[in-house]
Order: sequence, then C-alpha cells, then structure tokens
Amino acid sequence: GESVGLHLPTLSVQEGDNSIINCAYSNSASDYFIWYKQESGKGPQFIIDIRSNMDKRQGQRVTVLLNKTVKHLSLQIAATQPGDSAVYFCAEREGYSTLTFGKGTMLLVSP
Amino acid sequence: GAGVSQSPRYKVAKRGQDVALRCDPISGHVSLFWYQQALGQGPEFLTYFQNEAQLDKSGLPSDRFFAERPEGSVSTLKIQRTQQEDSAVYLCASTIGAHSNQPQHFGDGTRLSIL
Repeated sequence: GESVGLHLPTLSVQEGDNSIINCAYSNSASDYFIWYKQESGKGPQFIIDIRSNMDKRQGQRVTVLLNKTVKHLSLQIAATQPGDSAVYFCAEREGYSTLTFGKGTMLLVSP
Repeated sequence: GAGVSQSPRYKVAKRGQDVALRCDPISGHVSLFWYQQALGQGPEFLTYFQNEAQLDKSGLPSDRFFAERPEGSVSTLKIQRTQQEDSAVYLCASTIGAHSNQPQHFGDGTRLSIL
C-alpha cells in the first residue's frame, strides 16, 4: 500500500511483485523525462529516460510510460527485489533548460 | 575515475565560515551541473557549466554562492559566510556532451552541516 512518510510518499511491496511508481509533471512543454534511483547516502543513479515523441520505453526489468495528455509519467519495475529499495525521482526538461526534479517516492521491498 | 567524484563527503562548519566543495566530473564530460538537495526533497538546480563557461547560474540562492570551473574539468562550489539554511547535500553531475537530452551522471554528493 501507499503512505505518506517523512516528506515522501512510500510504496511498500513484497519481493517478486511488480511495482508502479507514478509521477505527475507540471510543464506541458517538457520534452524529455528521466527516472533516477537514489539510495541512502548515494547520488541519484540513472534508470531510464524517454523523449516526448514516445509513450513507452523498456529497459532491463523497467518500463517507463508517458501520458502527455494528463502529464503523467510512471515507472514499472518487474519482479521487484530488495535491492530495488530506494527513493525514486522523476525529472523533466523543456528543450535545453535545466532538469526539474519531482519530490520522490520511497520504495520499500520486503523479502 | 569511472564516475563523478565529490569531496569532501561530509563537511561540518560553523555559521559564518566559508566552505569549498569539489567536483571531479567523468573524464571528457563537457557539461557539469551543481544541485542542492534538502532532506526528503529532490535535487534543485544551482548552476551549469559547459567546459569552463558558466552558462546558467539562475539557481544560486544568493551572492554568497559562487562556482567555478577554470580549466573545464574540476569544479568548485564555494559558499561564503555560511548560514544554517545552507545545510544540505550538494550534488554534482556531468554529461558527455553539451546541454542536451543525455542522462546526467551524479556523484555521491557532499553533505554540508552548518552549526
């Protein structure tokens, strides 16, 4: 289920489940989107990106879906593992402007 | 090295002191970015360099913040007369090309605590 923790919404899943992390972005002119994973004490780690001319992109165990109509981005993680536990951030960019990060979602994976 | 390297990893300073944070980007990366990350928040943009040129400093919160990249590789973020609200993690990121649709690669940051 989901709960609001210390400034962060939290998604708790069981190992092996599929996880879906959602992100609502604000700028309808954004044309590049990216997901990062951040573990405690570490910098953000690139997971997957997508350009606005696509609505789906797949990586290894991860899929990003983009719905420009409702300005929504999601990250799907298949067969979630305890090592996937981290904070996940989406970020958006318009043209050559800077990246704007969302607030993040904490994913907790129980063995 | 293989990744973005930042030093020190932790810095504690008294209010009013000056601090300098260092970033070694991935070798050959043209673009370098600095971000500030408060506890429980996403990174917020501070400034951007393309080689030695500082092309965007719109995110620097005050004139106490200054960044440089004199030779187009290593960058230093300096904060003068530190305040308690400067306490945060300062992240550096780099990309291989000029400011374009390429993923930014981040270092592990410097955690700054102002007492």
